[in-house]
Amino acid sequence: NAGVTQTPKFQVLKTGQSMTLQCAQDMNHEYMSWYRQDPGMGLRLIHYSVGAGITDQGEVPNGYNVSRSTTEDFPLRLLSAAPSQTSVYFCASSYFQGQGWINYGYTFGSGTRLTVV
Amino acid sequence: DQQVKQNSPSLSVQEGRISILNCDYTNSMFDYFLWYKKYPAEGPTFLISISSIKDKNEDGRFTVFLNKSAKHLSLHIVPSQPGDSAVYFCAAVNNNDMRFGAGTRLTVKP
Repeated sequence: NAGVTQTPKFQVLKTGQSMTLQCAQDMNHEYMSWYRQDPGMGLRLIHYSVGAGITDQGEVPNGYNVSRSTTEDFPLRLLSAAPSQTSVYFCASSYFQGQGWINYGYTFGSGTRLTVV
Repeated sequence: DQQVKQNSPSLSVQEGRISILNCDYTNSMFDYFLWYKKYPAEGPTFLISISSIKDKNEDGRFTVFLNKSAKHLSLHIVPSQPGDSAVYFCAAVNNNDMRFGAGTRLTVKP
């Protein structure tokens, strides 16, 4: 089925370990982004990309890196995991609906639940 | 600072009645507003949106109202169905920056 695929669904890391959360979409969407969801905080934007080779920081970028080498993939890297990064991570994608305006009706993946101990 | 607030963490209504979910925002530069619905173990799904130049948008059982002077929007679901039970997030956009509220858990009882 077409959509946004996130892997893994669950992950436990030790403090200081690194890992990459994978996100892939097959809808040829130009826009991709990563959010984290924490209790009582809603979803907060970590990083986003408006096309291959272009990335930018969101509201909470510290501790995370991203790259966009292809239109389909947008991996999120945790360089040195910390307990404060325990969260549920969502990847989202969308398209430009003319004049450079992003369609904000995003398609979200099903999430990655990350625990850092 | 949370620029988009959903002050009711939960709401319970009877099947067939109206559900009203509320959202307040502080940034007057927001010019586009959305509601997303989320089931457990799934990502949010887009439900309905409204531009700041309108005060109402309707899609079937779902209607979003925007009161710019009060910086308030609401989602009305009529009639409510048990399948509507989920967490609802409101979101607001300014210049490609979309901010989400913390969500309201709606339970529709049969």
